[in-house]
Amino acid sequence: ETGVTQSPTHLIKTRGQQVTLRCSSQSGHNTVSWYQQALGQGPQFIFQYYREEENGRGNFPPRFSGLQFPNYSSELNVNALELDDSALYLCASSLSAGPFPGELFFGEGSRLTVL
Amino acid sequence: AQKVTQAQTEISVVEKEDVTLDCVYETRDTTYYLFWYKQPPSGELVFLIRRNSFDEQNEISGRYSWNFQKSTSSFNFTITASQVVDSAVYFCARSSQGAQKLVFGQGTRLTINP
Repeated sequence: ETGVTQSPTHLIKTRGQQVTLRCSSQSGHNTVSWYQQALGQGPQFIFQYYREEENGRGNFPPRFSGLQFPNYSSELNVNALELDDSALYLCASSLSAGPFPGELFFGEGSRLTVL
Repeated sequence: AQKVTQAQTEISVVEKEDVTLDCVYETRDTTYYLFWYKQPPSGELVFLIRRNSFDEQNEISGRYSWNFQKSTSSFNFTITASQVVDSAVYFCARSSQGAQKLVFGQGTRLTINP
């Protein structure tokens, strides 16, 4: 158990819809990162939030957006869903967003299927 | 792109065999970090080890050991006397000083048969 919880665990959407995924980070962690893991692939970095500000972004279009709240929980929003957005979305929390990456604690993920 | 390559897509061995998972990375950075994560069927990624680019000492933790060779840009992971519970997908990853993202390899699915 990493102390990182994600919801929902599974969901099905149709193309063009919007989705919000939620993450509660481990107690005391002020940094949250989101990753997308397509079937049979390694996770790909979407973005990171540190103290409610975006602190780095991967190669994902603007329809992928996020929020971090004062209690350090986080949301990932995806608009105008496409079939290729079907994946496992992983949230990871860590103690610091400093220059030296620390241990990331991952949740079990939200599996999104877009039909 | 500075990739991480795990050439072995799937490995299947019999319990108690030793098994090595290969990882080769690309980087232009002088300071970087390498990681191994385990992903069981439940989905979460479990941290196994972090190694920085200035520390080339091999590390052993119980049945697990890691061989970091900067000259060949490799960071291989060996499980000694494998057990069925070691069955999972294993990911090698790289990060960089000042960059917060991890770049993962495609993973190696390890199956330990009883």
